[in-house]
Formats: sequence, structure tokens, C-alpha cells
Amino acid sequence: GDSVTQMEGPVTLSEEAFLTINCTYTATGYPSLFWYVQYPGEGLQLLLKATKADDKGSNKGFEATYRKETTSFHLEKGSVQVSDSAVYFCAPSGGSNYKLTFGKGTLLTVNP
Amino acid sequence: NAGVTQTPKFRVLKTGQSMTLLCAQDMNHEYMYWYRQDPGMGLRLIHYSVGEGTTAKGEVPDGYNVSRLKKQNFLLGLESAAPSQTSVYFCASSYGWGRSYEQYFGPGTRLTVT
Repeated sequence: GDSVTQMEGPVTLSEEAFLTINCTYTATGYPSLFWYVQYPGEGLQLLLKATKADDKGSNKGFEATYRKETTSFHLEKGSVQVSDSAVYFCAPSGGSNYKLTFGKGTLLTVNP
Repeated sequence: NAGVTQTPKFRVLKTGQSMTLLCAQDMNHEYMYWYRQDPGMGLRLIHYSVGEGTTAKGEVPDGYNVSRLKKQNFLLGLESAAPSQTSVYFCASSYGWGRSYEQYFGPGTRLTVT
């Protein structure tokens, strides 16, 4: 079945630091790739997505590029803010069954 | 437009008790899902529905039942709660059943079984 390996946290950064959260996946077929974010006490919400190879998803200053050759979808942001503190989930929507497979999540804490 | 709502927000059960979690969506989505979230485990799919009157098993269906009598509602039932079912439960819905369709999540229900 599909699987996701996501960078283990927690990750603690100072405001304005550069963020990378690594994500690699295995999936049958040709998945779409998603990053979801969960703010404290809330449900998950879509942060960005990419549906084909070399596509770059972007939102709120976050970016991730669909790398088919390395089966990766790493999340980056050039300058994090305290308000970015949350748990981030990488999730391929797989190729053969259209179900989302979630990574274990990476807790990000940004200090002022 | 409330999106996806869940009731209750919190619940404490004793082992062996039963309860039903209600999920409602006002986006006219065909597809609905129940997940559980446990520390260090990500989200795991319990059951899902591809339309009114249909249900299907997900990754971890044992101990749960579901019903989708109306398109906008998806109920998750625990007939005899066990401590292993202590978790945060999320409902989600999507417009389509395809690789690029986003899922919309509710705020979650925190369930503790003692």
C-alpha cells in the first residue's frame, strides 16, 4: 500500500528562520501530493497541493515541488512566523485508490 | 456556510458504553470520511462513504460502525467502547473521488474511554 515518511519533529525555529520539512512517499500509480496543516485545537486544513510531476504548490509563503524522480514533496518557507506554529502533514492521494495516506505529522514551534 | 461540523466536541465514556458521533457538512459533498488521530500515528481512515446510503471500510474499521442515511450526515458509532478507542476523531468530506480532490475536515471530537 501507499506510505509516507515525514521528517520527525518537533522542529523549533526562531522567527524569520528558513523552514524545510522533508517528505518522501511510495504510491502505486500517479498520486497527487498534499500538505495539510493543523493549528492548535483545530482540524486539518489544506495548505497546498501538486497534481503532476514538477508542479509547485504554494500558499501563505509555503512551497513544495512534486519530484517524481525522487518521490519527494518537501515543504519550505523562507521566513517563518510565530503564527506558523502548527502540525504539518504530508499526504499523497494515491494513485490506485484515491485515498489520502497521512504521514505522522511534524510539530513546528516558532519562537519570537 | 459552516463547512464540516462535528458533535460532540468532547466525550468521556466508560468501557462498554456506546455512543454516536455526528458529522454534518453543508457543501453538498458526495464523499465523507471518518479518521482517528493518535499521537505519533498520523491520521488513519476508519470508514468512508461514496454517497448517500453507502459505506465502506477503511484502514482500522474494527469496533466501529457507520451510517449515511442522508447525504449531509455521516454517523460513527461505537457499540462497546474500549480504552484503545481513546483518540481524537475527525470527519472529512470531499466533492469528488479522485486523486486531486481536497478533503475538508471538521474540528474533531476528543473521546476518552476509561
